[in-house]
This record gives sequence, C-alpha cells and structure tokens, in this order.
Amino acid sequence: RKEVEQDPGPFNVPEGATVAFNCTYSNSASQSFFWYRQDCRKEPKLLMSVYSSGNEDGRFTAQLNRASQYISLLIRDSKLSDSATYLCVPFSGNTPLVFGKGTRLSVIA
Amino acid sequence: DAGVIQSPRHEVTEMGQEVTLRCKPISGHNSLFWYRQTMMRGLELLIYFNNNVPIDDSGMPEDRFSAKMPNASFSTLKIQPSEPRDSAVYFCASSLAGIEKLFFGSGTQLSVL
Repeated sequence: RKEVEQDPGPFNVPEGATVAFNCTYSNSASQSFFWYRQDCRKEPKLLMSVYSSGNEDGRFTAQLNRASQYISLLIRDSKLSDSATYLCVPFSGNTPLVFGKGTRLSVIA
Repeated sequence: DAGVIQSPRHEVTEMGQEVTLRCKPISGHNSLFWYRQTMMRGLELLIYFNNNVPIDDSGMPEDRFSAKMPNASFSTLKIQPSEPRDSAVYFCASSLAGIEKLFFGSGTQLSVL
C-alpha cells in the first residue's frame, strides 16, 4: 500500500458548488496532517494543518478519521480561484513530509 | 521578507552536461529539503539537511546526484552527468525547528535534451 493515496481527479465543479476529496494514509503513527495547495506551474503552499479530529478555516474544512486512516478536505462555495492541485501530507513526527500526488480541482464558471 | 530563493528558474541542457541548482533558504530556518516533481511520480524527497548536515539522502536517485550545504544560507544540488530522465521541476524548501511546515521556493524547471 502506498504511503499516501489520493484520487488524482480532475474534479470539475461549477462555481458555488461544494466539493470534497479524500486522502488515505498507511502510517498509523501519523500524528498530524497537512493540506498543501499547488497552483499550475507554482510551488506548493500550506493551506491547512490538522492536529486533532479536524480543522475549519472559512470555506475549507478538513476532517480526520484515524480509525479508517483517511483525511478529507471539503470546500464550500467553490470559487474560480480554488482551481489548483491539493496535496495531502501526513506527518509522523520523525520523518520528512511525504506528499501524495495530489487531487486536481477545476472550478468552472 | 524574502522567501526561499532558487536559481535558475529554468535550465535547458544537453545530456551529459553538469547541472547545478542553487537554493537560499529563509533566514533563520535550520532545515532544508530538495524535492523533485514529475507528473508520473509526484513530489519526491531527494535529500534533507538539518543545521547544514545531511540527515537522509535515501531519495537521491543515484550517484550522479549530489547535494551540499556549505553554510546555513546556501545549498546546491548537482547532477553530473545529466540524463533526459532527470527532466523535472526541482524544489527547494526550508523550515524552522522541525520538518512540518515547509516553505517552498519557486522551483527550477530542468529540461535535459
């Protein structure tokens, strides 16, 4: 099983829609989780950190399910500017970040 | 406040040539990472340094790749000789007191013909 697995997408959604995508991880020792956002031809940037069961920041909600070893990212009221690739990153505390391949989101007008 | 600075932004070279990528981390950060990104393999960690010391280079593909960090404000990734399969975007990232929150440079787009 790969360390991090994400549905590559693309997820094509209309503006204003709610979209969610999951990330599964294999290391049960993972303590915290990060979602990074990467725009086309740009570097990844930290979007959200998750240290407990979840986190909410405006239109973005991350939820963690430790029993099933997955973390989800929910985006409400999608904007055109949300179009990007979203990278899931579990962190076990003693090794560098291992990134998933990402889920590509396209928000369409 | 300057972020992580990488140079060059683009590099086009011929197979067999030596390529040197450069990185200046954020001042005060003590961990530095080199990643490579391709469509097929995603973002892969090549090597990382803590306090200028290489900690884990198990991601370096082969002996053609080498990385150095002579001081806290500069690192290089060298490929010699380069091959077409090395074509990718190479990112440098730095972090402060840990390896959780990374700040990435803009990357170097390498094309080996």
